[in-house]
Amino acid sequence: SQTIHQWPATLVQPVGSPLSLECTVEGTSNPNLYWYRQAAGRGLQLLFYSVGIGQISSEVPQNLSASRPQDRQFILSSKKLLLSDSGFYLCACNRAWDGYTFGSGTRLTVV
Amino acid sequence: GQQLNQSPQSMFIQEGEDVSMNCTSSSIFNTWLWYKQDPGEGPVLLIALYKAGELTSNGRLTAQFGITRKDSFLNISASIPSDVGIYFCAGSTNTGNQFYFGTGTSLTVIP
Repeated sequence: SQTIHQWPATLVQPVGSPLSLECTVEGTSNPNLYWYRQAAGRGLQLLFYSVGIGQISSEVPQNLSASRPQDRQFILSSKKLLLSDSGFYLCACNRAWDGYTFGSGTRLTVV
Repeated sequence: GQQLNQSPQSMFIQEGEDVSMNCTSSSIFNTWLWYKQDPGEGPVLLIALYKAGELTSNGRLTAQFGITRKDSFLNISASIPSDVGIYFCAGSTNTGNQFYFGTGTSLTVIP
């Protein structure tokens, strides 16, 4: 079964600073990869998903971008963070119609 | 994207009580999943359902795939304090690999 490694667990960044969150997957190849944001411990908002290297689909226009430089690596970035970017960021993966496996999340606070 | 309505939004129950929550969709789904998210963690898969009418148990948890394929139900019997968390439903139409998530049910168990 697949395992997702996501880091860092918590991050405090000033407004206007850049962001890079990394997610790597073990135990599977050619997974679908997803970035979600969760505000106030509630619903999951899909930000980006990728079905292969270099293939990124954006669900919501925003201040963030995603990249997939390797098959099992998914990166969430921002050039200049906004206060509204604060939240709990989750990386997830799946194969075909298998259920998602989630990472342990990154708590981002923009100050 | 697909809309999944999950209810209730939150529940406060006494330890030992049974819990019921449901999820409805505007579209027919071929797979339903139920996840639990502990505070500060990523969601973890509880039960997966692949067939209309299917009833599946995982310990004190029982989930059902609705006959109409537009809904699913999760029941927790004899709740205990560690059942606290947010429960998410997720569904897939199988036209893609993507799952759509409900808005979550926040469960609080009072000892």
